[in-house]
Amino acid sequence: AQSVTQLDSQVPVFEEAPVELRCNYSSSVSVYLFWYVQYPNQGLQLLLKYLSGSTLVESINGFEAEFNKSQTSFHLRKPSVHISDTAEYFCAVSDLRAAGNKLTFGGGTRVLVKP
Amino acid sequence: DVKVTQSSRYLVKRTGEKVFLECVQDMDHENMFWYRQDPGLGLRLIYFSYDVKMKEKGDIPEGYSVSREKKERFSLILESASTNQTSMYLCASSWGGREVETQYFGPGTRLLVL
Repeated sequence: AQSVTQLDSQVPVFEEAPVELRCNYSSSVSVYLFWYVQYPNQGLQLLLKYLSGSTLVESINGFEAEFNKSQTSFHLRKPSVHISDTAEYFCAVSDLRAAGNKLTFGGGTRVLVKP
Repeated sequence: DVKVTQSSRYLVKRTGEKVFLECVQDMDHENMFWYRQDPGLGLRLIYFSYDVKMKEKGDIPEGYSVSREKKERFSLILESASTNQTSMYLCASSWGGREVETQYFGPGTRLLVL
């Protein structure tokens, strides 16, 4: 069975400072990795994903994540955060062989950006 | 834009009531999912469906059932609501290709069972 651990439940950070959200997973098979973001009072939306190829993936709003197979990690980073990045972030994994492309989510990391 | 809508944003029910949560997607997606979201636990999959009239149990199906009579609609049913089913319920859908597809989420229904 797969599992996802997000090591920090809350991360307070000042505006324009860097932030790193940690994600580790366990799985006996190859996985695909995702970061979803949930802004206040909204549903989740995809931030970025790793399926294959380059281990560094980027989003359109400045986030990036690096897949590290040996450490089974997929940490999310942004070099300079904005107030609008205040949200909850979820790491998720998927085994392609699972019917319906099921996702297993981590517990979430709440990011609060302070001015 | 993909749109996933859920019938209610907030719902208050009493213990023992039968509760229906409705989800509709407008992108002809094959796959649909029901999750519950609880603080510190993230999202946990209750049920999913990869075709009309098909359903599969997720990680926490106990106390829930689902119905998918039409491709665009996926209903979650709480046969006899209990207080431990107070939660945020999120519906999602995705295309049913061979690749792992992005899931698109609705805004959620916050259910309070008294």
